[in-house]
Amino acid sequence: AQRVTQPEKLLSVFKGAPVELKCNYSYSGSPELFWYVQYSRQRLQLLLRHISRESIKGFTADLNKGETSFHLKKPFAQEEDSAMYYCALKGYNFNKFYFGSGTKLNVKP
Amino acid sequence: DVKVTQSSRYLVKRTGEKVFLECVQDMDHENMFWYRQDPGLGLRLIYFSYDVKMKEKGDIPEGYSVSREKKERFSLILESASTNQTSMYLCASSLGADAGRSGQPQHFGDGTRLSIL
Repeated sequence: AQRVTQPEKLLSVFKGAPVELKCNYSYSGSPELFWYVQYSRQRLQLLLRHISRESIKGFTADLNKGETSFHLKKPFAQEEDSAMYYCALKGYNFNKFYFGSGTKLNVKP
Repeated sequence: DVKVTQSSRYLVKRTGEKVFLECVQDMDHENMFWYRQDPGLGLRLIYFSYDVKMKEKGDIPEGYSVSREKKERFSLILESASTNQTSMYLCASSLGADAGRSGQPQHFGDGTRLSIL
């Protein structure tokens, strides 16, 4: 079965602290994984995708096939990073995405 | 830049009404999707369409139907609205499933917050 798990509903950190949002997936074969972000009162938008191996707004995510994880990391959190973050898996049927339940990141001053 | 436009940001309807939510995309995308977003449950797929007049059920299709008469437009229909359909509804679009298009994301609209009284 294809599934994405985000174990933390809420993550609170202080500004300047490192942050890691966890994502685990269930998939056979080579997965395509994405992180989406939704700032307050804004639309859901793509943050990064594993296939691009990019760093966006200081965030990175590494695909670990052994641990079936795609955790999102940032070394120094900023207040403007406070948002809802969703991990997503592109399924066998390339048309479908599977989203985790989301993690709300709260960066305190 | 991809633009996905949902016709209403906020909508209030009454129980039993037939409700239409409209979504239009301007990037000639083959795929379009309807999700509902609820706290603690994330995004749940209601229906999606991979071509004009084609549709497939998602994870929670009960009580909903869809229509795709034109490539750019995808409508979600609540046949007889009920209070448990009060939610945020998100429309998304993406390019089709071609081998050369790996890494293609979904693009989302602003959402429609629907309240059923």
